[in-house]
Amino acid sequence: EVQLVESGGGLVQPGGSLRLSCAASGFTFSSYEMDWVRQVPGKGLEWLSYISRSGYTIYYADSVKGRFTISRDNAKNSLYLQMNNLRVEDTAVYYCARDLGTYYPFDYWGQGTLVSVSS
Amino acid sequence: EIVMTQSPATLSVSPGERATLSCRASQSVNDNLAWYQQKPGQAPRLLIYGAATRATGIPARFSGSGSGTEFTLTIRSLQSEDFALYYCQQYNNWPPYMYSFGQGTKLEI
Repeated sequence: EVQLVESGGGLVQPGGSLRLSCAASGFTFSSYEMDWVRQVPGKGLEWLSYISRSGYTIYYADSVKGRFTISRDNAKNSLYLQMNNLRVEDTAVYYCARDLGTYYPFDYWGQGTLVSVSS
Repeated sequence: EIVMTQSPATLSVSPGERATLSCRASQSVNDNLAWYQQKPGQAPRLLIYGAATRATGIPARFSGSGSGTEFTLTIRSLQSEDFALYYCQQYNNWPPYMYSFGQGTKLEI
């Protein structure tokens, strides 16, 4: 069974940092591209970042470029999102998602981890 | 940027009836359109991809149609567990920062 489990969320002050993790199981992690998507409570979905299977190709949404860093450790079946210089507007539930690749959607999502940015 | 517009924002339907949800793209996305279902406190679940292909384990009462800019998700014989939020997503343009989601339709009893 495919499972994605996020962790690392919490309450942080503006300007602070957090590192989210996504533990993958039930599939060959290194064979899949991965993404981070967030959802402001009560709002819609916003794609944030993508990483290729090898980790060499990475993309970011403009809203987080320069502040967030995506990475992966295929040996540990884990995906990460380092979030620096956090803003109040970054408050959201953060999901990792398995990406089937070009011209395919995200087929599995984790349950999400809540990040709250507040003073 | 391709803007995805879903309608209606809220749809009220009785159990056993049929629900029709719409998604419109601001420019053609061919058939690179997915539908997701999200229940409170849960992650989105992929229902439909390629505009009309059901994902693994999705009941046959869910069907998708459309191509280009107009898409429809139809749910026949609504069950209690179907009342949720539904999002469409286009993934026609690469890289992924070109992907976009609709704002969602809430399907309520």
